[in-house]
Amino acid sequence: DGGITQSPKYLFRKEGQNVTLSCEQNLNHDAMYWYRQDPGQGLRLIYYSQIVNDFQKGDIAEGYSVSREKKESFPLTVTSAQKNPTAFYLCASSKAGGPLYEQFFGPGTRLTVL
Amino acid sequence: DQQVKQNSPSLSVQEGRISILNCDYTNSMFDYFLWYKKYPAEGPTFLISISSIKDKNEDGRFTVFLNKSAKHLSLHIVPSQPGDSAVYFCAAIDSWGKLQFGAGTQVVVTP
Repeated sequence: DGGITQSPKYLFRKEGQNVTLSCEQNLNHDAMYWYRQDPGQGLRLIYYSQIVNDFQKGDIAEGYSVSREKKESFPLTVTSAQKNPTAFYLCASSKAGGPLYEQFFGPGTRLTVL
Repeated sequence: DQQVKQNSPSLSVQEGRISILNCDYTNSMFDYFLWYKKYPAEGPTFLISISSIKDKNEDGRFTVFLNKSAKHLSLHIVPSQPGDSAVYFCAAIDSWGKLQFGAGTQVVVTP
């Protein structure tokens, strides 16, 4: 079945450690996105990529890094520079150039920094 | 500063009755609006959208109304069903083509 997978579902890390969240899609979509959801707030865009080997900062990119070496993969690294990393992280993908409402979301990863 | 606001964090409605979810926005440049539905432990899924050139869009039990002068949109679910219990996000596309989300409204449909 086509879709987006994120792993793991729950992730725990100690403060000061970098952690990488996985996002894989087999929808053959060119564009991929990372969002963060906090209680009482909407989804906020961290980074997005419209094509392999290219990506742009979203609204809250500080403390995060991404790579896009393969079309199907868009890993997000939460670095120790991110001041409040505990959150629910959602990955999405869409056809490049298509309407944004065609974004398909993964199930999310809940990151807890202890 | 949040440009899309959903001021009701939760809504409880009886099965068979109408659910009305509200959303306000501050940016008059938004020209496309969407509603997403999210179940626990799943990603949001697209529900219905509306362009700023329209004031109403209907899809089955779901209708979205847009009042541009008031910068307000609403989602009506009629009749509400138990499977409609979820978090509903209002979103708008900004001038850079990015989605701006509201904080969400938790809908609980009771028997």
